[in-house]
Amino acid sequence: AQKITQTQPGMFVQEKEAVTLDCTYDTSDPSYGLFWYKQPSSGEMIFLIYQGSYDQQNATEGRYSLNFQKARKSANLVISASQLGDSAMYFCAMRGYAGGTSYGKLTFGQGTILTVHP
Amino acid sequence: DVKVTQSSRYLVKRTGEKVFLECVQDMDHENMFWYRQDPGLGLRLIYFSYDVKMKEKGDIPEGYSVSREKKERFSLILESASTNQTSMYLCASILSGGSGNTIYFGEGSWLTVV
Repeated sequence: AQKITQTQPGMFVQEKEAVTLDCTYDTSDPSYGLFWYKQPSSGEMIFLIYQGSYDQQNATEGRYSLNFQKARKSANLVISASQLGDSAMYFCAMRGYAGGTSYGKLTFGQGTILTVHP
Repeated sequence: DVKVTQSSRYLVKRTGEKVFLECVQDMDHENMFWYRQDPGLGLRLIYFSYDVKMKEKGDIPEGYSVSREKKERFSLILESASTNQTSMYLCASILSGGSGNTIYFGEGSWLTVV
């Protein structure tokens, strides 16, 4: 079984500052992938960043970076230089690879609502 | 441009009605999923399908069924809608054996059961 925990229901950040959204996970799968998605009020799920469990380096995509600490089972999202358009719900998710195929199933956390203040 | 399309964005149905939520993908993906999203609970997997006519239960299948008669279409069925099924429903698809981040989502269907 897999579990994703996001302990911050809501976060506030000042425009142009950095913010970290927390995510911890639990899995018995030997290999797994960790995702972050952004969901604006329109409802679409926007893929932000992906980290494979065997990737040696932390993933980065523009202003997004994933602080992956495997021993701590954490995969925090860092958004640098926040923008007003970053205000949205953010989900951490996991896909496991347990020898066979996972079929691409994702397990999601509860989500964190980020509000960026001008 | 790859696409997962959910035919209805907003629906209002009465308790006891049979409800169909349709999802179509144009990427020839084998695997398709239905998730339900609720505040404070995130997204939870209802059902998924890995081939035509093949389906498997997810974490919360009770009160739902699915149909996959064609590869591109995956339908979620509420046989007798109840108020506790008021939620946002998201469809997703992925190519079988697809690499880590190639999962595509539809835009979501907001269902209100009154």
